[in-house]
Amino acid sequence: NAGVTQTPKFQVLKTGQSMTLQCAQDMNHEYMSWYRQDPGMGLRLIHYSVGAGITDQGEVPNGYNVSRSTTEDFPLRLLSAAPSQTSVYFCASSWTSGSSYNEQFFGPGTRLTVL
Amino acid sequence: AQSVTQLGSHVSVSEGALVLLRCNYSSSVPPYLFWYVQYPNQGLQLLLKYTTGATLVKGINGFEAEFKKSETSFHLTKPSAHMSDAAEYFCAVSRGGSNYKLTFGKGTLLTVNP
Repeated sequence: NAGVTQTPKFQVLKTGQSMTLQCAQDMNHEYMSWYRQDPGMGLRLIHYSVGAGITDQGEVPNGYNVSRSTTEDFPLRLLSAAPSQTSVYFCASSWTSGSSYNEQFFGPGTRLTVL
Repeated sequence: AQSVTQLGSHVSVSEGALVLLRCNYSSSVPPYLFWYVQYPNQGLQLLLKYTTGATLVKGINGFEAEFKKSETSFHLTKPSAHMSDAAEYFCAVSRGGSNYKLTFGKGTLLTVNP
């Protein structure tokens, strides 16, 4: 299994540009999440999904859109990039199996710079 | 709402010394608690987790943590630090079964000196 994969690894945008960060997992996990990591802030939840067609907002959703048309993919869209969105973005996936509580698996991250 | 506080943004120890990274949480419901490690320019890797049952949890690479409900703490320890332990460590809490919505602490950078 490849686990959780993210593309691209690095990206530089100009203010106002749009782009999509890709995330895919091959573990058949129901749940997927996007976090951003900023120095001294830890990781903060942007959006999450509990299954195909179901998404919801996390702690810092403004400026980001998501959709989940398949179990495997959970892309994150920046509609009009701003310098405040300069960050490292992590995608994560997890699943549930009865009484067993399972942790989130994280991708390698996308480092985004907005000029 | 739950929150996580990691005391000390930077901890420095000598090789072979005890590692103690502190984590306190607040949660209105029984928490599920995690420690993740992040090596430079990499993603997060799970060290250990507490869900239910035994309050002393053993993880990978010789780390362990003890859930103390009365103190709302989940401190991470390792008896003897190794150079390879140098990394950033994050404590996280999940509310109940919502394992897709973690609340993270701000992280503690561990430096190991030879």
